[in-house]
Amino acid sequence: TQLLEQSPQFLSIQEGENLTVYCNSSSVFSSLQWYRQEPGEGPVLLVTVVTGGEVKKLKRLTFQFGDARKDSSLHITAAQPGDTGLYLCAPRGYSGAGSYQLTFGKGTKLSVIP
Amino acid sequence: NAGVTQTPKFQVLKTGQSMTLQCAQDMNHNSMYWYRQDPGMGLRLIYYSASEGTTDKGEVPNGYNVSRLNKREFSLRLESAAPSQTSVYFCASSGGTGVSGANVLTFGAGSRLTVL
Repeated sequence: TQLLEQSPQFLSIQEGENLTVYCNSSSVFSSLQWYRQEPGEGPVLLVTVVTGGEVKKLKRLTFQFGDARKDSSLHITAAQPGDTGLYLCAPRGYSGAGSYQLTFGKGTKLSVIP
Repeated sequence: NAGVTQTPKFQVLKTGQSMTLQCAQDMNHNSMYWYRQDPGMGLRLIYYSASEGTTDKGEVPNGYNVSRLNKREFSLRLESAAPSQTSVYFCASSGGTGVSGANVLTFGAGSRLTVL
C-alpha cells in the first residue's frame, strides 16, 4: 500500500509571504498533478509533472517533481488572498489489472491573510 | 461550457432512505468517476467508468451502486443510506490519457449529502 503525505496540513500566512507545500510518497509515480480547490467548488487542475526533476512555473507558482518521482513540491512567491484554498497533490500510479489511477493526498489548506 | 453538472447540490436523508446522485458531462469524455470528500481524508474514489458500458470499484465502493447510462451520464445510488455516508460527493470526467498518460480530471461542483 502506497503512503501519500502532504505537509503542512494547514498554513496561514500574510499576503506577500512565500511558502512551500510538500507531497511525499513511498512509491514511484508515472506522473503527478496538483489541483486547487476553493470552498464550495470542485478541484481544478493546476499542473501535471511527468519527468523526474521537472520544474514548471505558473505565474507565481513553481512546481517541482522529485528526481526519483516519489515527491513533489509547490512553491508560491508573494502569496495573494486569491491563492487561498485547498491544494491537493494527485500522483498517478499502477492500480492493478492494467489500470492506472490517480490517488489524492489529504491536501494543504492555505489561508492568505490580507 | 457547462463541463460537469451534478444534481442535487444539497440533500438531507434519513437513515435507510435511498437516493441517486446524477452527473452529466458535455465534453465527450470517455471516463467518469465518483469521489467522496471527508474532512481530513482527502478525495477517495468510490466507483469509476473507464468507458461507456463499463464500471469498476474504487477504494470505497461499499454501500454504493453506479450506472453509466450513456457516454454523458454517470449516476451514483445509495440504496440504504447510513450516517457514515454523510459527505461531499464529487463527480469527475476525463478524456483519457493526456500528456504521457496522465489523466486530467474535470470536476463538478459537488453534492453535499447529510444522513441523519
